[in-house]
Amino acid sequence: SAVISQKPSRDICQRGTSLTIQCQVDSQVTMMFWYRQQPGQSLTLIATANQGSEATYESGFVIDKFPISRPNLTFSTLTVSNMSPEDSSIYLCSVAVGQGYEQYFGPGTRLTVT
Amino acid sequence: GNSVTQMEGPVTLSEEAFLTINCTYTATGYPSLFWYVQYPGEGLQLLLKATKADDKGSNKGFEATYRKETTSFHLEKGSVQVSDSAVYFCALSATNTGNQFYFGTGTSLTVIP
Repeated sequence: SAVISQKPSRDICQRGTSLTIQCQVDSQVTMMFWYRQQPGQSLTLIATANQGSEATYESGFVIDKFPISRPNLTFSTLTVSNMSPEDSSIYLCSVAVGQGYEQYFGPGTRLTVT
Repeated sequence: GNSVTQMEGPVTLSEEAFLTINCTYTATGYPSLFWYVQYPGEGLQLLLKATKADDKGSNKGFEATYRKETTSFHLEKGSVQVSDSAVYFCALSATNTGNQFYFGTGTSLTVIP
């Protein structure tokens, strides 16, 4: 298993500003993911961030809007840039470990954009 | 392609009732299957998993069996408690897509005393 922490746990931001979310893992992992979960919805994968390579973005998500850093095997950041109210959501990071590549999730960052 | 179809909610049960949440999947290759639980205001927690056909995952009184013939992974619990109130997500991890996860839409469960 893995224990994951995220900062901040929640924030209220103004339209047009940017927020950087941090994800810290208690062990070294190769595969890390960033998801968005809109209220009452399932998870949508934003990007896969493997250490040593550029992040891979899913359809509908672009690097200019959601830049990701992965400087080492225990840490990653996701920035939500030029925010609008439509970006209000929960942002979750996860890591894949184990034989079945199960994913373990952080507690999430609850973002409200006004 | 890969996908997960999950029973629509919300589900409301009385304490000690039997729970079934249906989950079926479509996948090429040999996926691993998972159930996650999300309590109010929290992230997702891995509840149980099964990595091959006929495997049974179990945890905290919950069970699910990986049925390849029916492409299903239904979640069951014999006697639910108020503390089981949460949203439950079925998911698969497919080796043919770099172990990317595919989540169901989630099923909200409320257990009333």
